[in-house]
Amino acid sequence: NAGVTQTPKFQVLKTGQSMTLQCAQDMNHNSMYWYRQDPGMGLRLIYYSASEGTTDKGEVPNGYNVSRLNKREFSLRLESAAPSQTSVYFCASSEPGQANYGYTFGSGTRLTVV
Amino acid sequence: GENVEQHPSTLSVQEGDSAVIKCTYSDSASNYFPWYKQELGKRPQLIIDIRSNVGEKKDQRIAVTLNKTAKHFSLHITETQPEDSAVYFCAASGNSGGYQKVTFGTGTKLQVIP
Repeated sequence: NAGVTQTPKFQVLKTGQSMTLQCAQDMNHNSMYWYRQDPGMGLRLIYYSASEGTTDKGEVPNGYNVSRLNKREFSLRLESAAPSQTSVYFCASSEPGQANYGYTFGSGTRLTVV
Repeated sequence: GENVEQHPSTLSVQEGDSAVIKCTYSDSASNYFPWYKQELGKRPQLIIDIRSNVGEKKDQRIAVTLNKTAKHFSLHITETQPEDSAVYFCAASGNSGGYQKVTFGTGTKLQVIP
C-alpha cells in the first residue's frame, strides 16, 4: 500500500526554469492538496482539489498552477521558478466522507531555486 | 477565515516527564482537530484526532483535550521518550462551502532529553 507518492524527492532549479511536481495516491481519496513548508511558517496551502475535476486556490497560490489529471493524480507546476519558492513541498490526500478527515502526506519534495 | 495559534514553539523536557502543547482556534464552526508528528526530514503523520462532540481522547501515552467554549485544544504526552522528539502540528478543520478546510498551527519542536 503506497499511500501518497511524490516525485521528485529533490530538485535544484535556476531562476526562471519551470518544473512539475507529481503526486499520486492509491487510497481512492477524493480530495488532494499541495502545501509548502518553510521554517517557522508551518504548512501553508498552495492549491487544493476537493474532488476530481475541481481545483481551487489556497493561501499562497501565486507562481503556481495545478492539474487534477484524474482521481489519483494531482500535479503542481512552477512556470518560472523564483528563489522565494525554495521550500519543501508536500502533497496530501484525504477523504472527507470518512469518519475522520486526517491527511495522508507524501514524502515531500525539497526544492531549491538558485 | 480560521486562525490557529500554537504554543510553545519549542519545548524541552526530560525523558519520562510529560509534555503539553496548546492550540487555540477562532472559527466556532471547526469540528475536527487532528494532530500531526513530523520527524526530522520526514513527512507529517497523523497521531491522534478529536471531533467537536468529544471532550477528550486517549491513545496509549498521548491524549488530546478539547474545550469548545474556550476554543482551546491540547496535546498531552506522558512518560516522554527520546523517540517523541519531533515537530508537532495541530490543525482545525471545518466545512467551507462543501469542502473540509484545514488550517494548521505553526508547529512545536519537542526535544526529549535522555
